[in-house]
Amino acid sequence: SQQGEEDPQALSIQEGENATMNCSYKTSINNLQWYRQNSGRGLVHLILIRSNEREKHSGRLRVTLDTSKKSSSLLITASRAADTASYFCATVDTGGFKTIFGAGTRLFVKA
Amino acid sequence: GAGVSQSPRYKVAKRGQDVALRCDPISGHVSLFWYQQALGQGPEFLTYFQNEAQLDKSGLPSDRFFAERPEGSVSTLKIQRTQQEDSAVYLCASSAGQGNTEAFFGQGTRLTVV
Repeated sequence: SQQGEEDPQALSIQEGENATMNCSYKTSINNLQWYRQNSGRGLVHLILIRSNEREKHSGRLRVTLDTSKKSSSLLITASRAADTASYFCATVDTGGFKTIFGAGTRLFVKA
Repeated sequence: GAGVSQSPRYKVAKRGQDVALRCDPISGHVSLFWYQQALGQGPEFLTYFQNEAQLDKSGLPSDRFFAERPEGSVSTLKIQRTQQEDSAVYLCASSAGQGNTEAFFGQGTRLTVV
């Protein structure tokens, strides 16, 4: 069973626009991670945010975490066609290793 | 090696056949994970190894599934008496330390049971 639920399930935007994806989860976590998956490169780790952090940046990515609401968001700024992929949030339990993925958001960036 | 390597990339098995899927993690990585990914879904956790110790196998769907990592490096996921519902992509990931702080995934093995 999957813990995380991503919202929206699918998103289509124009190149240059920002894309925001949300994730909700159910149990206490050690950390939350976002991954990207496309057919060319498989599943790739993007960013990790620990349970005691509220916001993190990496390049064009911005992640927020609200543990009181058990939710996270991923913002991709100035999107590019190459950002077209499925994006998954993954929560790691308090034991530090059991990783539960959501069903993903399918992002399509039109050139 | 440079990344996590899985073999075979594709496997077609007849229902009832046994299969073995191999994972070569990044050299020196302590943690190794197996996931099952159905079409259009996120990966589902199967099992976790820390070195050679299998610390969690709660995600294995049935007793037909068995995983091992006898020397703390290469791992094998074995599925006995395959069923059609076993058809999926099986992903292996490794991370440097204990637990999951950044997991590197292989390209997966796509298993089709006919």
